Amino acid sequence: DGGITQSPKYLFRKEGQNVTLSCEQNLNHDAMYWYRQDPGQGLRLIYYSQIVNDFQKGDIAEGYSVSREKKESFPLTVTSAQKNPTAFYLCASARSSYNEQFFGPGTRLTVL
Amino acid sequence: AQKITQTQPGMFVQEKEAVTLDCTYDTSDQSYGLFWYKQPSSGEMIFLIYQGSYDEQNATEGRYSLNFQKARKSANLVISASQLGDSAMYFCAMRGRDSNYQLIWGAGTKLIIKP
Repeated sequence: DGGITQSPKYLFRKEGQNVTLSCEQNLNHDAMYWYRQDPGQGLRLIYYSQIVNDFQKGDIAEGYSVSREKKESFPLTVTSAQKNPTAFYLCASARSSYNEQFFGPGTRLTVL
Repeated sequence: AQKITQTQPGMFVQEKEAVTLDCTYDTSDQSYGLFWYKQPSSGEMIFLIYQGSYDEQNATEGRYSLNFQKARKSANLVISASQLGDSAMYFCAMRGRDSNYQLIWGAGTKLIIKP
């Protein structure tokens, strides 16, 4: 079955710790995205990658980092520099920036 | 700058009735795309329908149709014969050159279908 997987589903972090959220796709898509969703709000773009070994900052990249070493993988690291990291994080992929995006099930991050 | 506005925070609709979810947008681009996504309580975003700015006909996908009024800059989603499983958050999004072809999202509308 083709799709996008995110792990873990729930993640708890102590203040001052870095955590990495996993995103894998087997759709052979070139483009991948990370979004943050806060309660009652729409999605905000953190980072996106249109091709392997290349990525760009979105609207709220501060305190986050990514890598794109493989086409199918786009992990997101939430660093201790992110002041308010508690949120729902969604990963998406698309054939290209001009195509519809398909989403993973999301990771809910809570900072204790 | 591009902007998406969804003015209905929440809606209650009787099962089997048709539903219209509002979406207005602002852009200076001539070429752009409009999307609707559904987000059930599980959290995953599900792509529903797409409309290109140059498409002459309104997009349709099964029970979903997009009422595209370019002059009014509106792209309302119409769901025919609503079902209990349609209860979810619905998001309108657009893409264009102004946003470097990345999606700009509205705040969403929470739809609840009553039996």
